[in-house]
Amino acid sequence: GAGVSQSPSNKVTEKGKDVELRCDPISGHTALYWYRQSLGQGLEFLIYFQGNSAPDKSGLPSDRFSAERTGGSVSTLTIQRTQQEDSAVYLCASSLARGSNQPQHFGDGTRLSIL
Amino acid sequence: DAKTTQPPSMDCAEGRAANLPCNHSTISGNEYVYWYRQIHSQGPQYIIHGLKNNETNEMASLIITEDRKSSTLILPHATLRDTAVYYCIVRVAGGNTGKLIFGQGTTLQVKP
Repeated sequence: GAGVSQSPSNKVTEKGKDVELRCDPISGHTALYWYRQSLGQGLEFLIYFQGNSAPDKSGLPSDRFSAERTGGSVSTLTIQRTQQEDSAVYLCASSLARGSNQPQHFGDGTRLSIL
Repeated sequence: DAKTTQPPSMDCAEGRAANLPCNHSTISGNEYVYWYRQIHSQGPQYIIHGLKNNETNEMASLIITEDRKSSTLILPHATLRDTAVYYCIVRVAGGNTGKLIFGQGTTLQVKP
């Protein structure tokens, strides 16, 4: 079946521009996560959505970052006024439910480069 | 959060079993052990997870010690395509997030 789909796969933009990254989770998955991975680093949690509950935004690094999930399915991560340190691979994952017995399945990410 | 300790790198001969160790001595009773791997330029791939009992699926086996303080991921017949970074993660229990906390992992190099 279809996995987690992310678009675009690559994005190059100039410093100061806004960018939107899209994530299509696996159908039926109610939990959705955003992570980012900087060059040579481990994954860093950004934000989490579960059904209609308020999202956990505790990992967002600054108020330039925001995310929404409309209709409980597709999610967009928006970065405003991008900075060079925002360059990273942004990964989305989804799971069937929130519980710790539910594995998260990842997309292949969006590679964001800020010039 | 329970922390995990893994060797930074390992080699394995193609066709042989790869045994990847992980220490998680501070794991809580209701926390699962998860294994993921990441092949260059791809997102992390879920492999297997377990709580107390040993687990096996089409990809690998997971052996968890009786005291749950360590575990071993076994790839029974490693191939060149198994070359990747392998992450052992203890899943945050309770709360509202269930986020995964990735460490540095073990880089497994399968050699012909």
